[in-house]
Amino acid sequence: AQSVAQPEDQVNVAEGNPLTVKCTYSVSGNPYLFWYVQYPNRGLQFLLKYITGDNLVKGSYGFEAEFNKSQTSFHLKKPSALVSDSALYFCAAPTSGTYKYIFGTGTRLKVLA
Amino acid sequence: GAGVSQSPSNKVTEKGKDVELRCDPISGHTALYWYRQSLGQGLEFLIYFQGNSAPDKSGLPSDRFSAERTGGSVSTLTIQRTQQEDSAVYLCASSSGRAVYNEQFFGPGTRLTVL
Repeated sequence: AQSVAQPEDQVNVAEGNPLTVKCTYSVSGNPYLFWYVQYPNRGLQFLLKYITGDNLVKGSYGFEAEFNKSQTSFHLKKPSALVSDSALYFCAAPTSGTYKYIFGTGTRLKVLA
Repeated sequence: GAGVSQSPSNKVTEKGKDVELRCDPISGHTALYWYRQSLGQGLEFLIYFQGNSAPDKSGLPSDRFSAERTGGSVSTLTIQRTQQEDSAVYLCASSSGRAVYNEQFFGPGTRLTVL
């Protein structure tokens, strides 16, 4: 079965430190991969996506993600975390040949001042 | 511009009652998705509409769930004979065009509580 996994329920990082939120996938064919963020009391917002080409994708708010085909990973990164980055982050991908998206269970990021 | 809107924002109902949840997508967006977000879970795909094409209903968990989209715009998700396990946040999203890799714009959700 195709799947998207986020192995960490929560990630804590100090403000100013680099952050990584992990995502691994099992999707047939060439995957399309997405990161969305859910701030408290707000809807999900698109951060970035990988379609094809450059393995390093840059997105909103200084976030970037690296597609690694051999490790089937698409980790979200930011060089310097802000307290305002604290939110729930979801990795997602459509299953091959369909519009049916599968989402990871989410990772809660806490950036400590 | 206006984003995706959903109504009601909160719905409390008694077990066995029917509920209707509404989604107004971004104007001009032809694709519309419904998801369910349960506490501690990721988003669960329910149904996908694209223009006037037949919807992909493969994620609907039971025949108590149905959805329609009128005029290629507003969508209604109906849950009949609600059960306590239906309690969740129901999210609607829309996207432009037909490409599966177009980003989705999400509404604020409807929090459904079944007593």
